[in-house]
Amino acid sequence: EVQLVESGGGLVQPGGSLRLSCAASGFSFSYYWMTWVRQAPGKGLEWVANINQDGSAKYYLDSVKGRFTISRDNAVNSLYLQMSSLRAEDTAMYYCAREANSGGWYYDYWGQGTLVTVSS
Amino acid sequence: DIQMTQSPSSLSASVGDRVTITCRASQNINTYLNWYQQKPGKAPGLLIYAASSLQSGVPSRFSGSGSGTDFTLTISSLQPEDFATYFCHRSHSTPHTFGQGTKLEIK
Repeated sequence: EVQLVESGGGLVQPGGSLRLSCAASGFSFSYYWMTWVRQAPGKGLEWVANINQDGSAKYYLDSVKGRFTISRDNAVNSLYLQMSSLRAEDTAMYYCAREANSGGWYYDYWGQGTLVTVSS
Repeated sequence: DIQMTQSPSSLSASVGDRVTITCRASQNINTYLNWYQQKPGKAPGLLIYAASSLQSGVPSRFSGSGSGTDFTLTISSLQPEDFATYFCHRSHSTPHTFGQGTKLEIK
């Protein structure tokens, strides 16, 4: 059974840092692109960043470029999101998702999310 | 960036109704369009990918159509468990973008 389990969220002050983790199991993690998606309270979904199978290609939402870093460790089947210079507008539930491709890219499995709150 | 516009933003319907949600892309995206369902407090789940392909395990009352810039998600006969929020999504190139969502409520 495919499982994605996020952790690392919490309350952080503006300007602070946080590292999110996503532990993957039930599939060959190193074969898949992975992505982070966030959802501010009561709002829609927003793609944040994604990374290819070996970590050599990474893409970011413009508003997080230079502040967030996506990475992965295929040896331990884990995805990460290092967040720094956090702002109030980064407050959201953060989901990791697996990207699949069949006639186009889509997210076929999602974690349950981890909540990040940026507030003083 | 390619923008995705969903309509309506909310919809009231009854069990058994046929419901259609539309999504329009600001540029041609061929059939690189997906649909997700999200229930309160839960992660989204994939319903339809590549505009019209039904994800494994999703009931056949859900269907998708369209290509280019205009797409639809249809639920042929609403069931109580279908009341949720639906999002369209394109991911052929970054930034991946979602529609703003359609909240489907019980009439």
